Amino acid sequence: ETGVTQTPRHLVMGMTNKKSLKCEQHLGHNAMYWYKQSAKKPLELMFVYNFKEQTENNSVPSRFSPECPNSSHLFLHLHTLQPEDSALYLCASSQDDPMFSGRAGIFGPGTRLTVL
Amino acid sequence: EDQVTQSPEALRLQEGESSSLNCSYTVSGLRGLFWYRQDPGKGPEFLFTLYSAGEEKEKERLKATLTKKESFLHITAPKPEDSATYLCAVQGDYKLSFGAGTTVTVRA
Repeated sequence: ETGVTQTPRHLVMGMTNKKSLKCEQHLGHNAMYWYKQSAKKPLELMFVYNFKEQTENNSVPSRFSPECPNSSHLFLHLHTLQPEDSALYLCASSQDDPMFSGRAGIFGPGTRLTVL
Repeated sequence: EDQVTQSPEALRLQEGESSSLNCSYTVSGLRGLFWYRQDPGKGPEFLFTLYSAGEEKEKERLKATLTKKESFLHITAPKPEDSATYLCAVQGDYKLSFGAGTTVTVRA
């Protein structure tokens, strides 16, 4: 399989649940990202990993916890979320950090998260 | 502070009616401007990267241009399958910033 894949595609969870989102890229890229997309708002960059090291955390609440075990896989662990966290969560990857290369990221299809 | 503004917010076109989308930006040190297409319920699909003022890129009915303050995405003779939300993003010296997008609807 090629490109960036995300699982699950849809997730409904209660505020007390713990769940994880998974992202896998088959492009040989070194940088991976988590974004949040809410209706009518610009994409919000949450986390950046470059060569498995977290290089950016944009003031994201601690109820979101990322994990990058290797350069092909990225997880977002979720716990005690709030209804306002309902959104489309997008994973992306790029050859290297666009800050240094100016190269665009390739996005996965996203996980539609609903918090009840 | 880096800022990206897209206009209009929504655009309704008749099939064959050409138009342009605008992406205005302020950024400290432009390293790249990106255009993406996003269909409902899907992730953004990469279209173009522009690096410097005067640069142009084309793909089928789409043409992207760049000046020092803004970028345009021209849609020539659009078809219903061009209906989507078009996102603009700017990579500056310190961060990558996205616009809120322009939703284009092309009627047959």
